[in-house]
Amino acid sequence: EVQLVQSGAEVKKPGESLKISCKTSGYSFTSHWIGWVRQMPGKGLDWMGIIYPGDSDTRYSPSFQGQVTISADKSISTAYLQLSSLKASDTAMYYCARHGSQLVREYDYWGQGTLVTVSS
Amino acid sequence: EIVMTQSPATLSVSPGERATLSCRASQSVNSNLAWYLQKPGQAPRLLIYGASTRATGIPARFSGSGSGTEFTLTINSLQSEDFAVYYCQQYNDWPPLTFGGGTKVEIK
Repeated sequence: EVQLVQSGAEVKKPGESLKISCKTSGYSFTSHWIGWVRQMPGKGLDWMGIIYPGDSDTRYSPSFQGQVTISADKSISTAYLQLSSLKASDTAMYYCARHGSQLVREYDYWGQGTLVTVSS
Repeated sequence: EIVMTQSPATLSVSPGERATLSCRASQSVNSNLAWYLQKPGQAPRLLIYGASTRATGIPARFSGSGSGTEFTLTINSLQSEDFAVYYCQQYNDWPPLTFGGGTKVEIK
């Protein structure tokens, strides 16, 4: 069974940094792109970027380039999203999701989400 | 960047009726389009990919159609569990992959 399990909710202060994890199981981690999606409170889905764990090829949305870092650790089948210099506007739910094949296509499995709250 | 526009923003439908949701792309995405359903407090769930192929376990009352720039998600005989927010997403031209703004299907 394919599973993506994300780290727990976080409360941070402005200016702090954060690294969210997405631990996967039930499939070949290195054979599927994994992406990160932001959902601000009451809003829609914003695509942040993706990584191919097989070779660490990483692509970012222009909207998030330079603001976030996506990485992966093949040894533990886990992807990461790092957010730095947090602002109140980073308060959101962050999802990891697996692309359905070696190609960048639909997201067939999603993590449960990690709620990040940034507040002084 | 390809902009995805969904309409209507909110759709009020009675249980047992049909719902028709639209998604328009600012340029052709061929058939590289997916639909997702999101219930409150849950992660999105894949319904349709390749514009018209149902994902594993998705009931036959969900159907997708279209290609190029115009796409439709039809939900026949709405069940209580179908009232949610629906998103389309293109994966033809990226980065970025882009989502539509969503359509909320609510009980009439």
